[in-house]
Amino acid sequence: RKEVEQDPGPFNVPEGATVAFNCTYSNSASQSFFWYRQDCRKEPKLLMSVYSSGNEDGRFTAQLNRASQYISLLIRDSKLSDSATYLCAVNKRDYKLSFGAGTTVTVRA
Amino acid sequence: EPEVTQTPSHQVTQMGQEVILRCVPISNHLYFYWYRQILGQKVEFLVSFYNNEISEKSEIFDDQFSVERPDGSNFTLKIRSTKLEDSAMYFCASSLTGWSTGELFFGEGSRLTVL
Repeated sequence: RKEVEQDPGPFNVPEGATVAFNCTYSNSASQSFFWYRQDCRKEPKLLMSVYSSGNEDGRFTAQLNRASQYISLLIRDSKLSDSATYLCAVNKRDYKLSFGAGTTVTVRA
Repeated sequence: EPEVTQTPSHQVTQMGQEVILRCVPISNHLYFYWYRQILGQKVEFLVSFYNNEISEKSEIFDDQFSVERPDGSNFTLKIRSTKLEDSAMYFCASSLTGWSTGELFFGEGSRLTVL
């Protein structure tokens, strides 16, 4: 089983729509969870950390479910600029982040 | 805004040649990393570096690879005797703290093409 798995998508949604997707992780010892955004052929950039109680940052909501070992990202009121690949990243209290392969979101006008 | 800078942005080399990829991390950061991304695949951890030594490395980071912080600003990745499968985007990253925050700041990457 892969360490971090994501639905690759693509999720093709109209502007203003809500889109949500999950990421599962295999190691129950994982401590820290993050969503990164990667635009085509660019570097990953941190979108938000994911906390146990769930957290929001503007139109973005992240949730963590430790029992089922997944995290989720929900994007409300999608904008054209939200089109990107969203990378889930997990850390096991060591010096590396393990990334998923990414979920591609395309927002159309 | 401080940023991680990488050079070169693109390097083409012949199989068997040595390449050095250079990075200037954010100045007050203490942890440095190299990741790579083969086209169409996920971002993969190579190595982390702290206090002038490797703190962790992946199985990808074999004897072909080495890292160095030759001075107070540069952080380099050397790939000896490149292979075709080394073709990838190599991202340098730095962070102020270690594992707990996960906020890595990535450079724009160095694309390596091995012919």
